[in-house]
Amino acid sequence: DAKTTQPNSMESNEEEPVHLPCNHSTISGTDYIHWYRQLPSQGPEYVIHGLTSNVNNRMASLAIAEDRKSSTLILHRATLRDAAVYYCILSLSLDSNYQLIWGAGTKLIIKP
Amino acid sequence: GAVVSQHPSWVICKSGTSVKIECRSLDFQATTMFWYRQFPKQSLMLMATSNEGSKATYEQGVEKDKFLINHASLTLSTLTVTSAHPEDSSFYICSARASGISYEQYFGPGTRLTVT
Repeated sequence: DAKTTQPNSMESNEEEPVHLPCNHSTISGTDYIHWYRQLPSQGPEYVIHGLTSNVNNRMASLAIAEDRKSSTLILHRATLRDAAVYYCILSLSLDSNYQLIWGAGTKLIIKP
Repeated sequence: GAVVSQHPSWVICKSGTSVKIECRSLDFQATTMFWYRQFPKQSLMLMATSNEGSKATYEQGVEKDKFLINHASLTLSTLTVTSAHPEDSSFYICSARASGISYEQYFGPGTRLTVT
């Protein structure tokens, strides 16, 4: 399975944009890029996913490099509630049994 | 959005006893459910994948006779930790995948198991 590399932690100020990077240099052509986040002692929460094109939803934006070897999750205006561990994950496909292989994630700290 | 519940949210049991954890999809039918284990300050580790009505597929290193998974209906999967030992103490999380074209996995809130 292709692996992802993320910084262990990042800090940002409240109400400022946050760019969370992810490297996936061994990504294959059919791998989807997913982002989830997990607050302490809670189950993970889906944030966004994409394949090749940049994606936007109500929570965040996903910018995917043209060669797909890296991607960036963008939180446009961070709040204290966005403090969590953010996981960048690749999946082989989107069929019903697709598995998510979790890396270490990035702990996002939001400073008031 | 889709909601997945887990029961209990936390449980303490004695070594050698068995514990059952329930995972329910409350407002959608889950054709596939996943069970994860998470130790403190670590990432999630996939234990098994189960499809409704069929046997679960376990990840390498996960003992299927110790971690019994049943996915008897489209809204319920159970994980039973048999003959629990202190090293089984962990945060157990389930997720569910809806039938159809949804690409999201919806996660339960997790169950904190402590074996004394």
